[in-house]
Amino acid sequence: KNEVEQSPQNLTAQEGEFITINCSYSVGISALHWLQQHPGGGIVSLFMLSSGKKKHGRLIATINIQEKHSSLHITASHPRDSAVYICAVHIIQGAQKLVFGQGTRLTINP
Amino acid sequence: NAGVMQNPRHLVRRRGQEARLRCSPMKGHSHVYWYRQLPEEGLKFMVYLQKENIIDESGMPKERFSAEFPKEGPSILRIQQVVRGDSAAYFCASFSGGVSNTGELFFGEGSRLTVL
Repeated sequence: KNEVEQSPQNLTAQEGEFITINCSYSVGISALHWLQQHPGGGIVSLFMLSSGKKKHGRLIATINIQEKHSSLHITASHPRDSAVYICAVHIIQGAQKLVFGQGTRLTINP
Repeated sequence: NAGVMQNPRHLVRRRGQEARLRCSPMKGHSHVYWYRQLPEEGLKFMVYLQKENIIDESGMPKERFSAEFPKEGPSILRIQQVVRGDSAAYFCASFSGGVSNTGELFFGEGSRLTVL
């Protein structure tokens, strides 16, 4: 079993819909990142969380440390949000190794 | 601040040749990660380096692969005697923080290695 699991693996929605992507992890972490990878391959860091909730524009990220779970929400989704969204955690033991989920491929249709 | 710079962006090698991939982190960042992304797959951790130290290389194959981050200059990922299975995108990310201050991650554009 992977240390970081994302769901769903693929998500297709219509423009304007509210999107939720989930990330569960099984290890102790010091921080969690949400990343976005566009078809061209470039990766952008969206959020870094160690507790609570963060908001940036139409994106909201939450984390529940006790439940070892994080969610990424997109409000009023738009076709330009189509990308792969990746959850990554800094494992707290040892050397702060960064472990990735397998990614969620989001497609927003106009 | 030019961000994380990786070069070359594209590299073609024949089987048995060596590949050297370079990563210059963000200015002021002393922590570098290397990841590999095989076609249609997710990112896989390879190695975590601080200046002059390998902190965690548990994701790197024991043979043919090596990484360094010297006191001066970029971090280098070196693949000797490349095989077709090494064809992938290799990403570098840097951040400023240490064990208790992880900071924001910044990624390079990746180096795409093709082995013929």
